[in-house]
Amino acid sequence: NAGVTQTPKFRILKIGQSMTLQCAQDMNHNYMYWYRQDPGMGLKLIYYSVGAGITDKGEVPNGYNVSRSTTEDFPLRLELAAPSQTSVYFCASSQGQGAKETQYFGPGTRLLVL
Amino acid sequence: ELKVEQNPLFLSMQEGKNYTIYCNYSTTSDRLYWYRQDPGKSLESLFVLLSNGAVKQEGRLMASLDTKARLSTLHITAAVHDLSATYFCAVQETSGSRLTFGEGTQLTVNP
Repeated sequence: NAGVTQTPKFRILKIGQSMTLQCAQDMNHNYMYWYRQDPGMGLKLIYYSVGAGITDKGEVPNGYNVSRSTTEDFPLRLELAAPSQTSVYFCASSQGQGAKETQYFGPGTRLLVL
Repeated sequence: ELKVEQNPLFLSMQEGKNYTIYCNYSTTSDRLYWYRQDPGKSLESLFVLLSNGAVKQEGRLMASLDTKARLSTLHITAAVHDLSATYFCAVQETSGSRLTFGEGTQLTVNP
């Protein structure tokens, strides 16, 4: 199993540009999450999904959109990039039941908005 | 709103010493997670604590959970340089699957 994969690893955007961060998992997990981590800080939840077709806002959803058309994929969309969105973005997944709720994290996408 | 606080945020210690990192949280929960993050890397799951009084140990690290005090501890025994990393605790609300992370404790173990 590859686990949780993310692409790209690094991206530079100009203010106002759009992009999609890709996330995929091959563990048949129902739950998937997007976090952002600002320098020296903990992770903040952007959006999450409890299954295909179901998404919900986290703590910091403004400026982002998500979709979950399949169990495996959970892309994060930035429509109008702003410097405040410069961060490292982590995707995670979990089975969602009891001890299997441990979240497994992808390698991250470093985004710089100039 | 669930709040999670870790202390200390920065910890510099010598090899061979013991120390404890604390994680306090503000609302009822019986699920707490500890993660490790190396610089520029992703998060690695260390421990999952699912009940009051739970204690788990792996090598030089031991984690415990006191749900009544809303407190978890991560104890480091005889620290070695390889333990240098940032450690995060994360608390799951009783209802739902969302995790709230602490700010992290940046641990540096000096020779």
